[in-house]
Amino acid sequence: GQQVMQIPQYQHVQEGEDFTTYCNSSTTLSNIQWYKQRPGGHPVFLIQLVKSGEVKKQKRLTFQFGEAKKNSSLHITATQTTDVGTYFCAPHTGTYKYIFGTGTRLKVLA
Amino acid sequence: DVKVTQSSRYLVKRTGEKVFLECVQDMDHENMFWYRQDPGLGLRLIYFSYDVKMKEKGDIPEGYSVSREKKERFSLILESASTNQTSMYLCASSLWSIAQSSYEQYFGPGTRLTVT
Repeated sequence: GQQVMQIPQYQHVQEGEDFTTYCNSSTTLSNIQWYKQRPGGHPVFLIQLVKSGEVKKQKRLTFQFGEAKKNSSLHITATQTTDVGTYFCAPHTGTYKYIFGTGTRLKVLA
Repeated sequence: DVKVTQSSRYLVKRTGEKVFLECVQDMDHENMFWYRQDPGLGLRLIYFSYDVKMKEKGDIPEGYSVSREKKERFSLILESASTNQTSMYLCASSLWSIAQSSYEQYFGPGTRLTVT
């Protein structure tokens, strides 16, 4: 079946440093979503990427979909303590279904 | 705002008990999902439903069943709870979003189930 690997599993950064998490799939994807889960909270939808090579920005967050549509990345510029949480990618696997990656837990040290 | 509520935040049950987890959404979404979340494993889909009385197995349906008698309510049932079903259970609902061209999912707060 389809496998989704997210790396790294954990990342500690100093406030102000950049952060990137990568999501790799064994198969070509039609689209991919990204979610953020704050500690003690539930996942919240961030964005969806559909086109090959697509890049979308939300303030300090930059999302990218690979040219081959097998990988995606989330980059945060100049992290803040409010960025703390676990970031999940969720590739589309069926009409209504998305598989969630294992997540990258980000800790920001003030 | 979309609201997805779950019947309990914390639940402790004994091995062999029948357990019901309830989820209600108030935005008339067609699709509803049950996931379990375990450290290092991310979110794994147990079952989902795309309409009333319709259900499909997710990736880990063994030991679980579901019921969707009304559009707003999706129940997860553990027929005979076991210790390996101790986990965080998250319910979600989704609707086609024209703005995002996607089925973005809205999650409930989760139920942390402990089976002893």
